[in-house]
Amino acid sequence: EPEVTQTPSHQVTQMGQEVILRCVPISNHLYFYWYRQILGQKVEFLVSFYNNEISEKSEIFDDQFSVERPDGSNFTLKIRSTKLEDSAMYFCASSRGRDRYFEAFFGQGTRLTVV
Amino acid sequence: AQSVTQLGSHVSVSEGALVLLRCNYSSSVPPYLFWYVQYPNQGLQLLLKYTSAATLVKGINGFEAEFKKSETSFHLTKPSAHMSDAAEYFCAVRTTNTGNQFYFGTGTSLTVIP
Repeated sequence: EPEVTQTPSHQVTQMGQEVILRCVPISNHLYFYWYRQILGQKVEFLVSFYNNEISEKSEIFDDQFSVERPDGSNFTLKIRSTKLEDSAMYFCASSRGRDRYFEAFFGQGTRLTVV
Repeated sequence: AQSVTQLGSHVSVSEGALVLLRCNYSSSVPPYLFWYVQYPNQGLQLLLKYTSAATLVKGINGFEAEFKKSETSFHLTKPSAHMSDAAEYFCAVRTTNTGNQFYFGTGTSLTVIP
């Protein structure tokens, strides 16, 4: 069964460092997303991506964040200068379409720890 | 604005007992509602979804949920809990107002006691 894969599963970084979280969405999906979950809090929307550009972003997704689809398969989230409060589980997801009927398929997450 | 509230961050049931996980939503337009499950060290997996067809929705692993507009609820149930049901469960809402975003609840951790 096709699945969304994320690497690494756990990343520890020093405050101020850049991190890149990687995702391989399901191959025939068109929409890609990043969500995050700070420990004990809600799963929060960060950004959606379609046709090689950002479709929507939340207020969390500030200038420190960027996304890219560098080739036909990978979808990356970059945090330019990490802060302690960026520590969270980051989920990548993809869906076949934008319509609300379509469910999102999620990866297993990358746990980012900023020290 | 759209939001989801999951009552009870932790629920414990005995093996074989009824599972009831609560979800209430807030939406100004008819919502589509989803339940996802997360097993340890895995991603979010879709259990079931409500998309304005039948109000009683059956999902995988014997779970079902009923959409009740009058109560703005979409509670998840399973008649008989199994040890393998122990996981984190997330309710989510998606509406035409939210573009292609999902709004998630805080999750409910289900423990099954042998």
